[in-house]
Amino acid sequence: DTAVSQTPKYLVTQMGNDKSIKCEQNLGHDTMYWYKQDSKKFLKIMFSYNNKELIINETVPNRFSPKSPDKAHLNLHINSLELGDSAVYFCASSHGQPQHFGDGTRLSIL
Amino acid sequence: AQTVTQSQPEMSVQEAETVTLSCTYDTSESDYYLFWYKQPPSRQMILVIRQEAYKQQNATENRFSVNFQKAAKSFSLKISDSQLGDAAMYFCAYRSAGASSGSRTAGGTSYGKLTFGQGTILTVHP
Repeated sequence: DTAVSQTPKYLVTQMGNDKSIKCEQNLGHDTMYWYKQDSKKFLKIMFSYNNKELIINETVPNRFSPKSPDKAHLNLHINSLELGDSAVYFCASSHGQPQHFGDGTRLSIL
Repeated sequence: AQTVTQSQPEMSVQEAETVTLSCTYDTSESDYYLFWYKQPPSRQMILVIRQEAYKQQNATENRFSVNFQKAAKSFSLKISDSQLGDAAMYFCAYRSAGASSGSRTAGGTSYGKLTFGQGTILTVHP
């Protein structure tokens, strides 16, 4: 009965590849988010979707493309991966307060 | 834009003692929410406590309580009777109240997103 689930939990790939991270929430929330946690543990918003509509895009390179097929899913596709993309990516959802987080996906670029 | 500052990169406490983690923020808004999240080594983000800015009363959750000073823009977390399981990284976070739970961008303000501090690593000594 996981509330916010992300797959995969770990992703190791080479520079230049394209990869996707999936997120699903079963809480009935209408808003979903992607956050990036860098090597210094700093967390920063990337995107937010409300009822499948993009609401927030925090100056993320266009190699990152979120997709929300329905309000329970928000996937993140990354093209042409770079070394600087290595991080932990967190999905979250909310309806009002507070935001509920997934367990994160650790992306490592070789 | 809102900013959140945690000035203590690391703190330590003896088991059963009390520790206070500091957080200050900068905003021109009058209505907002503040949160403390805990991130143990398992990397889960766990909500510890939250405070609505319009409420003067400090929030409490069992051994966790906050000292919310709106005028000073300060939001510290007090952990009483510290336990080994409290060891983790703690993040202070800010969220605009905005017009809805979501989201929208208006006048340059992005509602809905959480703005995090840099984090404080808490070590609990037995």
